[in-house]
Amino acid sequence: GQQVQQSPASLVLQEGENAELQCNFSSTATQLQWFYQSPGGSLVSLLSNPSGTKHTGRLTSTTVTKERRSSLHISSSQTTDSGTYLCAIDQGKLIFGQGTKLSIKP
Amino acid sequence: ETAVFQTPNYHVTQVGNEVSFNCKQTLGHDTMYWYKQDSKKLLKIMFSYNNKQLIVNETVPRRFSPQSSDKAHLNLRIKSVEPEDSAVYLCASLGVNQDTQYFGPGTRLLVL
Repeated sequence: GQQVQQSPASLVLQEGENAELQCNFSSTATQLQWFYQSPGGSLVSLLSNPSGTKHTGRLTSTTVTKERRSSLHISSSQTTDSGTYLCAIDQGKLIFGQGTKLSIKP
Repeated sequence: ETAVFQTPNYHVTQVGNEVSFNCKQTLGHDTMYWYKQDSKKLLKIMFSYNNKQLIVNETVPRRFSPQSSDKAHLNLRIKSVEPEDSAVYLCASLGVNQDTQYFGPGTRLLVL
């Protein structure tokens, strides 16, 4: 089965609301990363967070390794946050989830 | 700032044709990758190259072959495309002792 599962599959919010994205993984991971893929297709790394809590700007990631889950919190969402958020675990190669498509309405 | 370059952006071809996609990174990284992203947005690794040596070769069809002239370049050739090859192909690179891969903008392939 799918080693990395993300939820929800899609999320629609009003600008200014907070977004909460979830990632569950079935295998032990030495590294967990969150990526953002723009509507145009460009993929960029947001956070690398194997355990604990990390912040960057309006993003907060919390990974509980023993429970094999990670979350990505986006505070005060903006329309430019719209896109697909991908979670990936590193097992010598990156294994991606199917992503959460986030749409922020003005 | 883009540091992983891919060409072409988009390619339309017919079943049975040969296609080749280019990837170049200017980051001085030692490892490069090719990923396939299907219509459901699922990204799967196809190949990785480290110092011109293939170190990961997923169970992709034999019609796919990576080609590298130096550590800054990793091209992808598809010998005889099939409809299921329609997808976005993403190139990435990784530096030594780093944990973040840098991705190119992708090449979208449509096989008619």
